[in-house]
Amino acid sequence: ELKVEQNPLFLSMQEGKNYTIYCNYSTTSDRLYWYRQDPGKSLESLFVLLSNGAVKQEGRLMASLDTKARLSTLHITAAVHDLSATYFCAVSNTGKLIFGQGTTLQVKP
Amino acid sequence: EAGVTQFPSHSVIEKGQTVTLRCDPISGHDNLYWYRRVMGKEIKFLLHFVKESKQDESGMPNNRFLAERTGGTYSTLKVQPAELEDSGVYFCASSIGLEQFFGPGTRLTVL
Repeated sequence: ELKVEQNPLFLSMQEGKNYTIYCNYSTTSDRLYWYRQDPGKSLESLFVLLSNGAVKQEGRLMASLDTKARLSTLHITAAVHDLSATYFCAVSNTGKLIFGQGTTLQVKP
Repeated sequence: EAGVTQFPSHSVIEKGQTVTLRCDPISGHDNLYWYRRVMGKEIKFLLHFVKESKQDESGMPNNRFLAERTGGTYSTLKVQPAELEDSGVYFCASSIGLEQFFGPGTRLTVL
């Protein structure tokens, strides 16, 4: 059974600091996704990573994928309050998505 | 372009009652997915439609759940009879390629 684990599950950080969220998955997958969810809102797609070594950046967020280690990271650079949200990674398995537990990020001013 | 919409946004029902959730995917998206997040747990897959056909319903918890997608457009998910453990947020997503676009979810509370 494909499992996806994120850590940490909760992250409280100061503005301006850097941090990384980790996403491990248990079997091979052809795609890895990162989503953001604000409270009561929909999941917003951030990144889709397709191949080993893939790196994508958008603003203060950078995602990478190591398929050999079955690991993806979401790196936050110089966090700002607007980044406070829950972040999910998910891997694709025959179309359906298998999600991690989510990481709730709280950025304090 | 309109995104994925879901109705209702919230539903509070009593145990034993029936509830029907609706999802309107993005126009032209053949793939439609239902997911559920129970309080404190991860988001879990329920089922996948390709047009009007059920491609994968391996995540449906039991036969109290019935999903339909008549005509390959909108989809409904009926829970009958609802139990306490059915409470959670039900998400719908649609896709035409790699990316799945999610709706805002329906928060279901079973009392």
